[in-house]
Amino acid sequence: QLQLQESGPGLVKPSETLSLTCTVSGGSISSSSYFWGWIRQPPGKGLEWIGSIYYSGTTYYNPSLKSRVTISVDTSRNQFSLKLSSVTAADTAVYYCARHRQSIVTTEIDNWGQGTLVTVSS
Amino acid sequence: SSELTQDPAVSVALGQTVRITCQGDSLRNFYASWYQQKPGQAPVLVIYNKNNRPSGIPDRFSGSSSGNTASLTITGAQAEDEADYYCNSRDSSANRLVVFGGGTRLTVL
Repeated sequence: QLQLQESGPGLVKPSETLSLTCTVSGGSISSSSYFWGWIRQPPGKGLEWIGSIYYSGTTYYNPSLKSRVTISVDTSRNQFSLKLSSVTAADTAVYYCARHRQSIVTTEIDNWGQGTLVTVSS
Repeated sequence: SSELTQDPAVSVALGQTVRITCQGDSLRNFYASWYQQKPGQAPVLVIYNKNNRPSGIPDRFSGSSSGNTASLTITGAQAEDEADYYCNSRDSSANRLVVFGGGTRLTVL
């Protein structure tokens, strides 16, 4: 059974870079059928897609975050990573890594990590 | 702000039927998927590709679509269905793969 696990610091200082890694187990990140993405949820608020990566390294980012986001993949370790630069308190959220399928007419996120809370504070 | 619009809150009596809607221009071209999220937990996919249920999702959950509106229907709502529900779809922009609705909190009375 596929499992995704986020890891990284739970506290980041303002203006610094948030870095998280998602480790995929029970399946290969090199599958051509899936994208691998990051989604966040501020406390008490809704879900926001940050961006996604294909195993080949092709990336797609939310336009509202694009200038600050970098997503990368390490197929040898079955991991993908998120970097979000110049963080502020508004970036405090639970960050989920996830797997999603993509077709011409649909996208669905069929596997989620448990999520990790990242707080931006000095 | 979300390009997919959901009612913030909906309530249903135990055992009754409830429809949760999601509106947006992208739904004219793309199918919606639906997620259930309970407090402190990650979202769970309940409907995909307009009206398909992943393994393990009860058949009281169903999806439909018309024009710019997608709907999630729970027929015979149970107490355990009380949760937040989010819709998502692709976006018309080629680079924006995923867009979410703002979420609907379902209360089962």
